Amino acid sequence: QKEVEQDPGPLSVPEGAIVSLNCTYSNSAFQYFMWYRQYSRKGPELLMYTYSSGNKEDGRFTAQVDKSSKYISLFIRDSQPSDSATYLCAMTRQGQGNLIFGKGTKLSVKP
Amino acid sequence: GAGVSQSPRYKVAKRGQDVALRCDPISGHVSLFWYQQALGQGPEFLTYFQNEAQLDKSGLPSDRFFAERPEGSVSTLKIQRTQQEDSAVYLCASSLAFDRPNTEAFFGQGTRLTVV
Repeated sequence: QKEVEQDPGPLSVPEGAIVSLNCTYSNSAFQYFMWYRQYSRKGPELLMYTYSSGNKEDGRFTAQVDKSSKYISLFIRDSQPSDSATYLCAMTRQGQGNLIFGKGTKLSVKP
Repeated sequence: GAGVSQSPRYKVAKRGQDVALRCDPISGHVSLFWYQQALGQGPEFLTYFQNEAQLDKSGLPSDRFFAERPEGSVSTLKIQRTQQEDSAVYLCASSLAFDRPNTEAFFGQGTRLTVV
């Protein structure tokens, strides 16, 4: 079992839909949780960063962390065709020099 | 520069050839990471530098892989005697934070290596 599990999709939604992306993890020591967006043939771009449990909102994006369930989510409201990309969850713990990534979920938002 | 710059963007190597991949981090960024991303997978950690010190190289898959950052700025990832399984995108990331180097890392566009 990998440390971070993420459904690779693909996920296809109509424009304006609410999108829910999720990851589960096994290492209870993880404290920092990130979501990256990666367009085709580009590097990952940081969307959201959350420390420990709780919610964080930034515009149309909301990140949630439930450490008791070892489950994190990213919600995208009013999805746009420009949101079409692969979304990667990543996590790490204090003192660890690297990120552990999920496989990524490929999202397509249809006009 | 404004972002992390990697060169070359694309590299085709014959099996057994040595390659060198370059990363120019964001100016002033202390931490630098190399990741390997296979097709359809998430990035996997290779190695991490804080300034010129290589603090973690646990992700390097074999002794054919070597990374350096001699002056604490530009880094080079070298792969000797390339094999087909080395075909992947190699991503470099840099981070300003010293006490929380894992977070808020900025990635380059990657070098796509194809070994034929």
